[in-house]
Amino acid sequence: ILNVEQSPQSLHVQEGDSTNFTCSFPSSNFYALHWYRWETAKSPEALFVMTLNGDEKKKGRISATLNTKEGYSYLYIKGSQPEDSATYLCAFNTGFQKLVFGTGTRLLVSP
Amino acid sequence: GAVVSQHPSRVICKSGTSVKIECRSLDFQATTMFWYRQFPKQSLMLMATSNEGSKATYEQGVEKDKFLINHASLTLSTLTVTSAHPEDSSFYICSARVASGPPETQYFGPGTRLLVL
Repeated sequence: ILNVEQSPQSLHVQEGDSTNFTCSFPSSNFYALHWYRWETAKSPEALFVMTLNGDEKKKGRISATLNTKEGYSYLYIKGSQPEDSATYLCAFNTGFQKLVFGTGTRLLVSP
Repeated sequence: GAVVSQHPSRVICKSGTSVKIECRSLDFQATTMFWYRQFPKQSLMLMATSNEGSKATYEQGVEKDKFLINHASLTLSTLTVTSAHPEDSSFYICSARVASGPPETQYFGPGTRLLVL
């Protein structure tokens, strides 16, 4: 059974703080790693798809890194804003069209 | 682009009734759609993969006779929970792969919360 773990489970920061979360996944048979941002009552929004060891991707103030050899990915948010409040999900892509999700990190950014 | 809708967003039904949930890709064609379920404090769990024009592939432990999936067109997949019981109460969410886009990207609907009394 594939296990994808995310930490921390939740995080509360002040506006302007920078923060990061971790996603751990199996290091064998890696195909791709996905990050999604999920606001309450909305659809999960695709942030990044990462496929190569050492990949770094950036979208505005959000960036992600990937280490497939040790099985982890970090998501960074620089200068958090209240609108960044959401649950951030990572998903391990098995390569057979299947995504195995972590339980997510719930971020709350206070003004 | 790549918008997926789901209907209804919330449904309450009596035990023993059947409930149909629709998943539509609004601005793209999706040869493959996926159905997930999320119980409280758990992760999204894949239930089945739905390919247009063919039978759905169910994950281990998911009863295909209970969760009927139909993917009759490139923009619509439906999930019918037959003879629903309280233990089927959950959050159901679909996703779709863009037919001509990167193979890895799945676009999600907003989900359907089902409560069976």
